[in-house]
Amino acid sequence: DARVTQTPRDKVTEMGQEVTMRCQPILGHNTVFWYRQTMMQGLELLAYFRNRAPLDDSGMPKDRFSAEMPDATLATLKIQPSEPRDSAVYFCASARTGDYGYTFGSGTRLTVV
Amino acid sequence: DQQVKQNSPSLSVQEGRISILNCDYTNSMFDYFLWYKKYPAEGPTFLISISSIKDKNEDGRFTVFLNKSAKHLSLHIVPSQPGDSAVYFCAASTNTNAGKSTFGDGTTLTVKP
Repeated sequence: DARVTQTPRDKVTEMGQEVTMRCQPILGHNTVFWYRQTMMQGLELLAYFRNRAPLDDSGMPKDRFSAEMPDATLATLKIQPSEPRDSAVYFCASARTGDYGYTFGSGTRLTVV
Repeated sequence: DQQVKQNSPSLSVQEGRISILNCDYTNSMFDYFLWYKKYPAEGPTFLISISSIKDKNEDGRFTVFLNKSAKHLSLHIVPSQPGDSAVYFCAASTNTNAGKSTFGDGTTLTVKP
């Protein structure tokens, strides 16, 4: 069963620290999404990439968040500096061009104290 | 402006009965609709989808109905089973957005034995 792998599974950090979340998309999937789920909201799109190029990052706070795909097997989401309001579950998902349904990873639960 | 709305945060049904989960959308450009199921501590899993050119799509116990004029879709689960207890997310996509989906806030379904 092909899976999207996210690390770490859980992260607790102090306010002001840098946080990096990693995602390994399914081999052959060329579209990668970062979503965030908070207690108050559903799944909120932060950014997505196709063939490693960013297509849309309008949902991401630009001053502290950055998303990259150094290569086709790795996507990263970085928060610097982190704030308590960033506490949420961050999901990575991948798909192939033309797919409508995504495959999600298990998420990274981030707690900023 | 929330473009995809799931107005019922929770739903409880008896095992064997029908579960009906509802979703409304506002953007008439959406042309593909999806349902995802999410268990605790896991990522959402794609369940079933429907194109705007159809009004019904069926897959085993799951049927999705689309009413374009009302901008409404629903997911029917018959018969409901305790293993169906999960959070169900409605999502919508436009062809022009290259696969980007907008999600609702989710409905928590509890199926009682």
